[in-house]
Formats: sequence, structure tokens, C-alpha cells
Amino acid sequence: EAGVAQSPRYKIIEKRQSVAFWCNPISGHATLYWYQQILGQGPKLLIQFQNNGVVDDSQLPKDRFSAERLKGVDSTLKIQPAKLEDSAVYLCASSLNPGLDAETQYFGPGTRLLVL
Amino acid sequence: RKEVEQDPGPFNVPEGATVAFNCTYSNSASQSFFWYRQDCRKEPKLLMSVYSSGNEDGRFTAQLNRASQYISLLIRDSKLSDSATYLCVVNTNAGKSTFGDGTTLTVKP
Repeated sequence: EAGVAQSPRYKIIEKRQSVAFWCNPISGHATLYWYQQILGQGPKLLIQFQNNGVVDDSQLPKDRFSAERLKGVDSTLKIQPAKLEDSAVYLCASSLNPGLDAETQYFGPGTRLLVL
Repeated sequence: RKEVEQDPGPFNVPEGATVAFNCTYSNSASQSFFWYRQDCRKEPKLLMSVYSSGNEDGRFTAQLNRASQYISLLIRDSKLSDSATYLCVVNTNAGKSTFGDGTTLTVKP
């Protein structure tokens, strides 16, 4: 079974530039998550989708970050404009359904972003 | 105060040692609990879920104490391959996940 796919794997940009990340979840997984993981910290949830609807985006800096999940499958996360503190690994994860017995999250390899 | 707090690391132990990690959570409405493992420069992967009655998977034992709002992970007979960061994860009944910052374990020969 194919895992969660993400691209690009690495990205270096200058501050104030824009960047976009792409995620393809495991087939059939209704829930998709975007996390930001800063070095030395745990993943922080940015946004959670259930199919193509947003379940939680309370920690998404909406002045610069946006995300969409068209047709309830692939998702993109965009940062515009980027700041130095956005340097982190952006992890995408998916799960079958946020029910009690199916909450295992499967993570993609992540996109390492460096903002100079 | 963070919603999920873990023992600060790093833990450096010899092979064969027993090591235990604790994790506390602040939201009393939390419903499900997990331990994930993250190797250096890799993505997190589920190690085990944590059930109210406690559960064991080989050398790994997880415990939940709802009254005190903490979970624990015990690793017996540590192997070199157990070296990693262990992340505590707490979910609300709405499915929102909160990760701890992780505890780093290094097992030495």
C-alpha cells in the first residue's frame, strides 16, 4: 500500500517569498492533517480536514498560511509571504477516520523548509 | 502550561536497561492516547496506542492514569535500535491531536 506522499522534500527560499507544499494521502483516508515541526519540538497541528471540509484550523496563521483540499483527496499548504520563523519541517498525515478505533495517523516524509 | 508535557531528555542508557517515560496532559476531556516514535530526520510512526487497562507489546508497556492525567511508556531490555525520540500524543473526542515535544532516548553499547 502506498504511503502518504509529499513534495517537494526540500525547499530554500528568501523571506517574503511564497512557497507551496503538496500532499497526497493514503487512498481512502478521510482525514488529512498538516503539521509544522520546528527543530527540537513536537509536531504542531496547523489544519485538519475531514474530506474537503476544515475540522480545525485554530493554530493556522491565517494572515500568511492557507490550505485547501479540493475534492477531498490531495491538499496544498501555502505560505505567503514567508518569514524566517517559518523554517521547519512541514508534515502531512492522514487517517482513515477520527473514530476511536481508526485514529492512527500515517505521516509523509515531510518537506524541509529553510527561509533565509 | 503546555497541553501535553513530556519528561525532558535526553535519556542515555546502556543496552539491556529498563527506561520509563512519562507524559502529562491538561485537558481532562482527552479521549485517546498514543506513543509515536520518530527517528532522526524521519517522520513519526505509531508505536502503540494506550488503553485504560494498560497494554503491552513485546518489550514495550504503556499505562494510562486518567485520575492523574498522565501516561507512561516502559521499555525493557533496551536495544540499540530503540534509540529515537518518543512522542506522546493526546486526542480529544473531536479528533484533535496534540503532540508533546518528545523525549530523546539514546541506547549505548
